[in-house]
Amino acid sequence: NAGVTQTPKFQVLKTGQSMTLQCAQDMNHEYMSWYRQDPGMGLRLIHYSVGAGITDQGEVPNGYNVSRSTTEDFPLRLLSAAPSQTSVYFCASSKMGGEQFFGPGTRLTVL
Amino acid sequence: EDKVVQSPLSLVVHEGDTVTLNCSYEVTNFRSLLWYKQEKKAPTFLFMLTSSGIEKKSGRLSSILDKKELFSILNITATQTGDSAVYLCAVGWASGTYKYIFGTGTRLKVLA
Repeated sequence: NAGVTQTPKFQVLKTGQSMTLQCAQDMNHEYMSWYRQDPGMGLRLIHYSVGAGITDQGEVPNGYNVSRSTTEDFPLRLLSAAPSQTSVYFCASSKMGGEQFFGPGTRLTVL
Repeated sequence: EDKVVQSPLSLVVHEGDTVTLNCSYEVTNFRSLLWYKQEKKAPTFLFMLTSSGIEKKSGRLSSILDKKELFSILNITATQTGDSAVYLCAVGWASGTYKYIFGTGTRLKVLA
């Protein structure tokens, strides 16, 4: 039981590049979400999903896309990276209304 | 606007002290309040509270929720250096769908 896994752990991009952050969970959780964490700002919700085929926006969705084709996977796509997207990204999953389990995070730097 | 506010922002204590961390919230359709501990990595779950006035306890940590006054406290007794971390409060709310809103956290440093 691996829990929530994220890849890559670290990534450096140039402005304008695109990339996908991967997230997978093996706990059969319906709810999955992406957060970014910046110094002094806590965790801010980017996008979330309540099941396969269903996604919705959180507080800070601009510049990011998500899809949920399976229960297990919830990738986050950066369409055209900007320095303002430099952050630590966490993926989390839970049963609906339950405690969230977090992945180890991806530290992204955009130059 | 829905929000979760934690106080204090940071705290420095000595080993053996007792600390109280605060979390107040303003959200519509409240469902739950969760506490997490974050050391230099992903947050780890501590407690989830849904009912007012019922204390959750785990070792030296305890937490209680007041749904009338819209706040929760996290108590840590006999603090140890291993308690040094950022403590995050999150509120789960449901309006058609389910979301969590996090506070900015309280940074606790425990000195030996």
